[in-house]
Amino acid sequence: IAGITQAPTSQILAAGRRMTLRCTQDMRHNAMYWYRQDLGLGLRLIHYSNTAGTTGKGEVPDGYSVSRANTDDFPLTLASAVPSQTSVYFCASSDSAGSNTEAFFGQGTRLTVV
Amino acid sequence: GQNIDQPTEMTATEGAIVQINCTYQTSGFNGLFWYQQHAGEAPTFLSYNVLDGLEEKGRFSSFLSRSKGYSYLLLKELQMKDSASYLCAVIDSNYQLIWGAGTKLIIKP
Repeated sequence: IAGITQAPTSQILAAGRRMTLRCTQDMRHNAMYWYRQDLGLGLRLIHYSNTAGTTGKGEVPDGYSVSRANTDDFPLTLASAVPSQTSVYFCASSDSAGSNTEAFFGQGTRLTVV
Repeated sequence: GQNIDQPTEMTATEGAIVQINCTYQTSGFNGLFWYQQHAGEAPTFLSYNVLDGLEEKGRFSSFLSRSKGYSYLLLKELQMKDSASYLCAVIDSNYQLIWGAGTKLIIKP
């Protein structure tokens, strides 16, 4: 079944540890995104990639990095986790950036930093 | 700054009609989306508006007025499975999606 897959689905992480959240899509979408979703706040964009080989910073990029070596994969790395990074993280993809095409979301990664 | 406002929570009765409003102030406008998100799940696409007027899709309709910076999502013949959060999102002048915090809709029998 075509779609977008995230791993892990949930994780408890000690503060200061490094963590990579994985995201893979098989729809050959050009654009991919990482969001965090916190209670009472809208989805906030962390980083995005309009096409393979390019990345950009979103609204809340500090403490996170991404790479886009190929079309399918868009991992998100927390270099040294802090409790404020406790959140639900969603990866999404769309056919092209900023267009009227819908974004497809992964099932989310629930991350708790203790 | 950019801002999207939606009511935090609404309650409606099964079989009834409910209207969820969204007002926005953004740097430019290139379209507006509505997404549905069930608790613990990913958002899923409902509708897209870029021109003024009403877009109808089955039990769901979405309306846009660009001059008023206003949209609403209309849900008819409410079913228990419609209990979810409804997210409004606007594409700004930089073609970035700006998201509202969402409206939690509770359906009662």
